[in-house]
Amino acid sequence: NAGVTQTPKFRVLKTGQSMTLLCAQDMNHEYMYWYRQDPGMGLRLIHYSVGEGTTAKGEVPDGYNVSRLKKQNFLLGLESAAPSQTSVYFCASSSTRGAGSPLHFGNGTRLTVT
Amino acid sequence: QQQVKQSPQSLIVQKGGIPIINCAYENTAFDYFPWYQQFPGKGPALLIAIRPDVSEKKEGRFTISFNKSAKQFSLHIMDSQPGDSATYFCAASLSSNTGKLIFGQGTTLQVKP
Repeated sequence: NAGVTQTPKFRVLKTGQSMTLLCAQDMNHEYMYWYRQDPGMGLRLIHYSVGEGTTAKGEVPDGYNVSRLKKQNFLLGLESAAPSQTSVYFCASSSTRGAGSPLHFGNGTRLTVT
Repeated sequence: QQQVKQSPQSLIVQKGGIPIINCAYENTAFDYFPWYQQFPGKGPALLIAIRPDVSEKKEGRFTISFNKSAKQFSLHIMDSQPGDSATYFCAASLSSNTGKLIFGQGTTLQVKP
């Protein structure tokens, strides 16, 4: 039982390049989330999904797009990377969105944009 | 109004000490307050959570104290151990959507042997 798996673990991009981060969960969770973690700022929600085929904006969505074509996968895309997007990206999932349903996080993708 | 402010930024205690991490929130609509623990190279994991209808919650050596009128809550770690060395995040959300968390800035705790 792998839980939440993020691919890749590390990536270096040049400004203007694009890439997709993949998140896969094997817990049959309905809800999935993308957060970014920056020093001194905690984690901030980028986008989230309440089910297959649905997506919604979080706290810091600009510069990112997402897709949830399959229930188990949640993709985060950067169309034109900027140095401000240098961060550690975490995917998370939960079975419901109510209290008592914790977020299960992956181990993160460290992205550097030069 | 969406912020959660966490302090201190870092904390060093001796084994057996009781580190205390404090958080303050602004949005009075928040009614779910979890603490997440993160080890280096790993994602955060839920440690303990509280709703505002209680003033204290204990799980093992970890205790959350909650002061609704002051809009503050804190994490106490009793009899701290070197294995507790990690980064701790407080967070807040609506209980109807606990995946949309507003996180504090994080506290890096080191417990010395």
